[in-house]
Amino acid sequence: GAGVSQSPRYKVAKRGQDVALRCDPISGHVSLFWYQQALGQGPEFLTYFQNEAQLDKSGLPSDRFFAERPEGSVSTLKIQRTQQEDSAVYLCASSPSPGSTDTQYFGPGTRLTVL
Amino acid sequence: SQKIEQNSEALNIQEGKTATLTCNYTNYSPAYLQWYRQDPGRGPVFLLLIRENEKEKRKERLKVTFDTTLKQSLFHITASQPADSATYLCALRRAGGSYIPTFGRGTSLIVHP
Repeated sequence: GAGVSQSPRYKVAKRGQDVALRCDPISGHVSLFWYQQALGQGPEFLTYFQNEAQLDKSGLPSDRFFAERPEGSVSTLKIQRTQQEDSAVYLCASSPSPGSTDTQYFGPGTRLTVL
Repeated sequence: SQKIEQNSEALNIQEGKTATLTCNYTNYSPAYLQWYRQDPGRGPVFLLLIRENEKEKRKERLKVTFDTTLKQSLFHITASQPADSATYLCALRRAGGSYIPTFGRGTSLIVHP
């Protein structure tokens, strides 16, 4: 498909477990963004990659959150020692232009539930 | 503190009518304002972007206005259809080059046949 894909679509974790969420952006898109969307709220920015470089991680809520994009395409968001407050939908978006959210394309998200 | 407000109550309208959704903001100097559509279980889909020096933008049945004096944007869908039922999010980007958008919580639109 031509869109942004994310896996898994749903993840249930016990408190304290580590999780890894994957994002496959649109081929050739330079910019990749991660967002967190709590129930009934809008997405909140977590981090931004331009190619393989993580240029902004100001939105990551704690040092338990870590993201990477080693080859400038697929990205992984890792959450260590998950807590109940981490339960949310994690959205990935990609854009063809550096640093641009003007025309970002979102994936379907991964719904994380921490028990 | 900066605040973006969208009506948390769902908007119910009859098919064929014009739907009008509101996005208000305070303590913010946005350069760009975007509207997205989000369906259940899916990511947001970009609809329209309007810049601070633009008053109005149109795309097919969609119209967005941006009033920086009132600190408000209105999003209109004319001749609404049941397929337009979704949650609509506004997002603002601050002037000064920041690419990080701040999203409102969205308003649910339900169009009844």
